[in-house]
Amino acid sequence: DADVTQTPRNRITKTGKRIMLECSQTKGHDRMYWYRQDPGLGLRLIYYSFDVKDINKGEISDGYSVSRQAQAKFSLSLESAIPNQTALYFCATSDPGQGENTEAFFGQGTRLTVV
Amino acid sequence: LAKTTQPISMDSYEGQEVNITCSHNNIATNDYITWYQQFPSQGPRFIIQGYKTKVTNEVASLFIPADRKSSTLSLPRVSLSDTAVYYCLVGDMNTGFQKLVFGTGTRLLVSP
Repeated sequence: DADVTQTPRNRITKTGKRIMLECSQTKGHDRMYWYRQDPGLGLRLIYYSFDVKDINKGEISDGYSVSRQAQAKFSLSLESAIPNQTALYFCATSDPGQGENTEAFFGQGTRLTVV
Repeated sequence: LAKTTQPISMDSYEGQEVNITCSHNNIATNDYITWYQQFPSQGPRFIIQGYKTKVTNEVASLFIPADRKSSTLSLPRVSLSDTAVYYCLVGDMNTGFQKLVFGTGTRLLVSP
């Protein structure tokens, strides 16, 4: 089983619909992140959470919301989807950081298409 | 945030050594240098991380000069499966990944 699991893997939705992307992890990490990636570009941070009571906006949070239901679960919602939210979405986790070899673990991604 | 600059793309052939250099002139004292690999439609995967001098693991080596203003990821004897995008990131690992910036990376194409 994957350490970081995203559901669904692919989704097509209509403009104006509400959609939720889910992420669960078995790493036991407190820190979780949501990124989006557009074709040919790097990843951009949408939201991040350092624990269940801590939610923070990233660089492109407009149009998105998140929920940290438990240490292992972090969901991303698009309240009213629009076509320019069509992208590949990644969830990631990391531990608090111990210096060397502190890494982020990424899910397989959710490909979202808004038509 | 330490800005990084790396080549947009590189080409190589199977069996060759590939060196990808990343420039990070304003790296801070507490910053580490980390490289990730990403295959199409997959999440990035950690390759290697270092602070200074040389770090080697079973996949790659990371060379960091004394001034730490640049770093070089070295992939020995690449194969077709090493075709991917490689990201160089610089940041303080203790503060979390929210401050790490994934740029456009270096797209490596390995040909037969």
